[in-house]
Amino acid sequence: AQTVTQSQPEMSVQEAETVTLSCTYDTSESDYYLFWYKQPPSRQMILVIRQEAYKQQNATENRFSVNFQKAAKSFSLKISDSQLGDAAMYFCAYRRGTSGSRLTFGEGTQLTVNP
Amino acid sequence: NAGVTQTPKFRILKIGQSMTLQCAQDMNHNYMYWYRQDPGMGLKLIYYSVGAGITDKGEVPNGYNVSRSTTEDFPLRLELAAPSQTSVYFCASSYSGTSGRNEQFFGPGTRLTVL
Repeated sequence: AQTVTQSQPEMSVQEAETVTLSCTYDTSESDYYLFWYKQPPSRQMILVIRQEAYKQQNATENRFSVNFQKAAKSFSLKISDSQLGDAAMYFCAYRRGTSGSRLTFGEGTQLTVNP
Repeated sequence: NAGVTQTPKFRILKIGQSMTLQCAQDMNHNYMYWYRQDPGMGLKLIYYSVGAGITDKGEVPNGYNVSRSTTEDFPLRLELAAPSQTSVYFCASSYSGTSGRNEQFFGPGTRLTVL
């Protein structure tokens, strides 16, 4: 069974600084996807960034980027120029490559952004 | 498009009561999912459906039932509510195209408390 581990229950960063959230996963599959979701106090699950396992290039979305280390099964999220609106719970998630497969979530990292 | 909608937003149940959580999507997605999120935890899959008339169990199905009579709707039934079912429930849907990168779209969640 696939597992996703986020070892940092809480992180904090100063506004405009950079922060990295860690995630490791375990799988025997070769075709899979990894995601970072943001959950603000509104509870809405918002997709931040996605990485296809077959792509060597790390995904980027504006201020958000990932460091995908396939051999180490590591998938960290870097937030640059942190903003107050980035404060939220962040979840790392795994999904097999098959269309419609379920998501397996980590336990989350609560990010605080200090002004 | 309204996306994925869920009703109600909040509900308090007494032990032993039953209720149905409603979920609907207007994106013509074949795949639909129910997750629960316990306090401070990630989401866990309860049930999922790959199309009308087809449902299957996820990680934590005990105490729940689902049905899928139409593509749009995927209600979750709680029979004999227990305090352990106090949680936030999320419905999600995704397209079933051949691309494995199809993301899941989440509803806003239902906060359920069983006392």
